[in-house]
Amino acid sequence: AQSVTQLGSHVSVSEGALVLLRCNYSSSVPPYLFWYVQYPNQGLQLLLKYTTGATLVKGINGFEAEFKKSETSFHLTKPSAHMSDAAEYFCAVSDGDNRLAFGKGNQVVVIP
Amino acid sequence: NAGVTQTPKFQVLKTGQSMTLQCAQDMNHNSMYWYRQDPGMGLRLIYYSASEGTTDKGEVPNGYNVSRLNKREFSLRLESAAPSQTSVYFCASRAPLVGGGYTFGSGTRLTVV
Repeated sequence: AQSVTQLGSHVSVSEGALVLLRCNYSSSVPPYLFWYVQYPNQGLQLLLKYTTGATLVKGINGFEAEFKKSETSFHLTKPSAHMSDAAEYFCAVSDGDNRLAFGKGNQVVVIP
Repeated sequence: NAGVTQTPKFQVLKTGQSMTLQCAQDMNHNSMYWYRQDPGMGLRLIYYSASEGTTDKGEVPNGYNVSRLNKREFSLRLESAAPSQTSVYFCASRAPLVGGGYTFGSGTRLTVV
C-alpha cells in the first residue's frame, strides 16, 4: 500500500522567505501525487497534482512542486511566503486505485 | 455549483447514541469517500465507494457503516458512538479521469461525550 511521510508537524517561515515543505512517498506503481491546503475550519483545497508528464508542477497561489522519482519525493515550494499562506498542508499519494493516502500534515506559521 | 455537501456541520452525541452523516455530490462522480481527520494524524480513510452499489473498507472502518444510496449520495453511520470517534469527518468524491482530483466537503465536526 502507498504511504506518505511529511516531517515536521509545525513549520515557521518569515514573511517573504522561501516556503519548503517536504514530502516523501512509497508506492509500488507510478504514483499520482497531490498537495492540499486546509485553512482553519475549512475543507481541503487542491493546490496542485502530478499525474504524468512534466515533473515540475505549478499550482495555485504561487506554489509549485517537483516530482523526483529517484528520490521518491514531491516537495512543495513557494519563493516568497505571504501571511495568507498560514494553513495546514497535506501531501497525498494514490496508485490509481480508490485509495488516497495522506501524510500527517504540516502546520505553516508565517512570521511577520 | 455546490460540489460536495455535508450535513450536519456540527454534532454533539452522547456515548452509545447513533447518527448518520450525510454527503451528496453534484459532479456526477462515480467514486466517493469518507475520511476522518484527527490532530497529528492527517486524514484516514474510513470507507469508500467506487461506484453506485459498491462499498469497501478503508484504513479505519471499525465502528462505522456506510450506504451508497445512489450515485449522488454516500452516508456514514455510527451505530453506537464512542468518545474515540470524536473527530472531523470529510466526505470526498473523485473525478473519473486517470489521476483525477478529489473534491472535499467542508466537514462535519463530531464530538462524542
